[in-house]
Amino acid sequence: AQRVTQPEKLLSVFKGAPVELKCNYSYSGSPELFWYVQYSRQRLQLLLRHISRESIKGFTADLNKGETSFHLKKPFAQEEDSAMYYCALSPGFQKLVFGTGTRLLVSP
Amino acid sequence: NAGVTQTPKFQVLKTGQSMTLQCAQDMNHNSMYWYRQDPGMGLRLIYYSASEGTTDKGEVPNGYNVSRLNKREFSLRLESAAPSQTSVYFCASSEKQGSGTEAFFGQGTRLTVV
Repeated sequence: AQRVTQPEKLLSVFKGAPVELKCNYSYSGSPELFWYVQYSRQRLQLLLRHISRESIKGFTADLNKGETSFHLKKPFAQEEDSAMYYCALSPGFQKLVFGTGTRLLVSP
Repeated sequence: NAGVTQTPKFQVLKTGQSMTLQCAQDMNHNSMYWYRQDPGMGLRLIYYSASEGTTDKGEVPNGYNVSRLNKREFSLRLESAAPSQTSVYFCASSEKQGSGTEAFFGQGTRLTVV
């Protein structure tokens, strides 16, 4: 079965501090992995996907198949990064499985 | 280009009442989904439809039915609402492309069952 684990419900940091939101997955095949973000009073939207190896809003995520992890990182957090972050996995048949989410709070 | 549109945005039901949540997408996507979002539980998949004419159960299908009316529309029905179905419901659609699968979400329906 596919499963996504986000161990932290809440991550609180100060502006300018580094951020790492953890995500571990279980899947026997080669998954597609994503990070989605939900800002206050906005709909859920894609932040980045592992296949693109992109950096969006200063965030990066590296797929580590050995550790089955896809942690989200940003070197210097900003107040506008405060949001709910979801890690998601897509098996080959176009189903998206989400983790329980991590709320990031960035304080001034 | 509206993306994914859900109706209604808010609804209060009495226990035992029925209702249908509507979802439509204008991106010509094959796949559509219904999720529920509960505090501490994240987004849990209720049902999904990989293409027009097919539907499959997700993680939490009990108490729900779905209809993929056509390629654009995917409705979720609660036949006899229960307080445990109080939640925020999200519809989404996606299409697998060369750069991966991106899902687009509706704005959500906040449902309260009393």
